[in-house]
Amino acid sequence: RKEVEQDPGPFNVPEGATVAFNCTYSNSASQSFFWYRQDCRKEPKLLMSVYSSGNEDGRFTAQLNRASQYISLLIRDSKLSDSATYLCVAGCRPLAYGGATNKLIFGTGTLLAVQP
Amino acid sequence: EPEVTQTPSHQVTQMGQEVILRCVPISNHLYFYWYRQILGQKVEFLVSFYNNEISEKSEIFDDQFSVERPDGSNFTLKIRSTKLEDSAMYFCASSPNPGLGSPLHFGNGTRLTVT
Repeated sequence: RKEVEQDPGPFNVPEGATVAFNCTYSNSASQSFFWYRQDCRKEPKLLMSVYSSGNEDGRFTAQLNRASQYISLLIRDSKLSDSATYLCVAGCRPLAYGGATNKLIFGTGTLLAVQP
Repeated sequence: EPEVTQTPSHQVTQMGQEVILRCVPISNHLYFYWYRQILGQKVEFLVSFYNNEISEKSEIFDDQFSVERPDGSNFTLKIRSTKLEDSAMYFCASSPNPGLGSPLHFGNGTRLTVT
């Protein structure tokens, strides 16, 4: 089973649409969660962290369900510039190393194409 | 906004050659990472580095790989004898601390092509 699993898409949506991405993670020791955005052949860029209580940043809303090991991202009023690959990421501080670093596990990403 | 910078942006090398990928993390960050992404695949963890030593490494990071912080600003990834399957985008990342919820800041990557 993949450590972080996402629907690869592509999601083709018209401008102004609402789109939701889902993600599951297998490691129950995962402690931090993020959505990153990656444009074609570019580096991943942090979109938002994901908190247990759910959090919102403008048109973007992220939710975390620890019991189900499930993360979601909702994008409202899609813009052409939202077209990208959205990466679901789980972080874990390995106890064997005294929690010295925050190792991130990436999903394969979900491709979003917003059409005019 | 401070950035992680990587050089070169593209490196072409022949199989069996050594390559060194260079990174300058954000200046007040203490934790450094290398990730790679083979074309069309997911971003994969290679190694993390703190206090001048490796904190964790993945199965990918075998004896052909090494990392070094030769001075106060650079962080390098060396591949001793490159293989065709090492062709990928290599991303350096840094963070100020490993605290929960502390995201990583990625550089713009070095595309390594092994021929």
